[in-house]
Amino acid sequence: SAVISQKPSRDICQRGTSLTIQCQVDSQVTMMFWYRQQPGQSLTLIATANQGSEATYESGFVIDKFPISRPNLTFSTLTVSNMSPEDSSIYLCSTLSSYNEQFFGPGTRLTVL
Amino acid sequence: AQSVTQLDSHVSVSEGTPVLLRCNYSSSYSPSLFWYVQHPNKGLQLLLKYTSAATLVKGINGFEAEFKKSETSFHLTKPSAHMSDAAEYFCVVRMDTGRRALTFGSGTRLQVQP
Repeated sequence: SAVISQKPSRDICQRGTSLTIQCQVDSQVTMMFWYRQQPGQSLTLIATANQGSEATYESGFVIDKFPISRPNLTFSTLTVSNMSPEDSSIYLCSTLSSYNEQFFGPGTRLTVL
Repeated sequence: AQSVTQLDSHVSVSEGTPVLLRCNYSSSYSPSLFWYVQHPNKGLQLLLKYTSAATLVKGINGFEAEFKKSETSFHLTKPSAHMSDAAEYFCVVRMDTGRRALTFGSGTRLQVQP
């Protein structure tokens, strides 16, 4: 199974600022995903990030708000831009193994004041 | 469109008694189905998966699930609950159409009483 790390593990940010979350995988993976888990809720897919192509965003999520980079096969970043308290969530990075199993990072807990 | 419905938001059992967490799915294609567990302040862990092989799937920690196509169900069971099983459980579906992203159910919080 892939080992996924995320930085930061948690952060408290001010309204109107931006935060970039890093996701590092210990092996090369084609597909990476970013999910959001709002307080007390289930997970919702934000976007799919494949290396060498633009990220594909789900309905309700836009690139200007959540820009994603995928510079190589082991790394991705998600930026939460112009934050508001409604963006307070856990953000999770995920990858797909060669056995079609999806593994998740530990998450980044974001609080926006 | 694919979706999953977890029929119970909360389930409470006594330690040593059976666990049943219910999940129904809808799909237009042959689905892959998963159960994930999330312990408080911890990451998501894959419990088990169904990918069109055996309909009865065994997972970690004594959990198992049975895929019933006629009922579009994928319920999670365990014969005897442990205190350490208290967590949030998510039923998850993925369509085998090339799109690899997951659709999560709303979650079931399992409480285990001593």
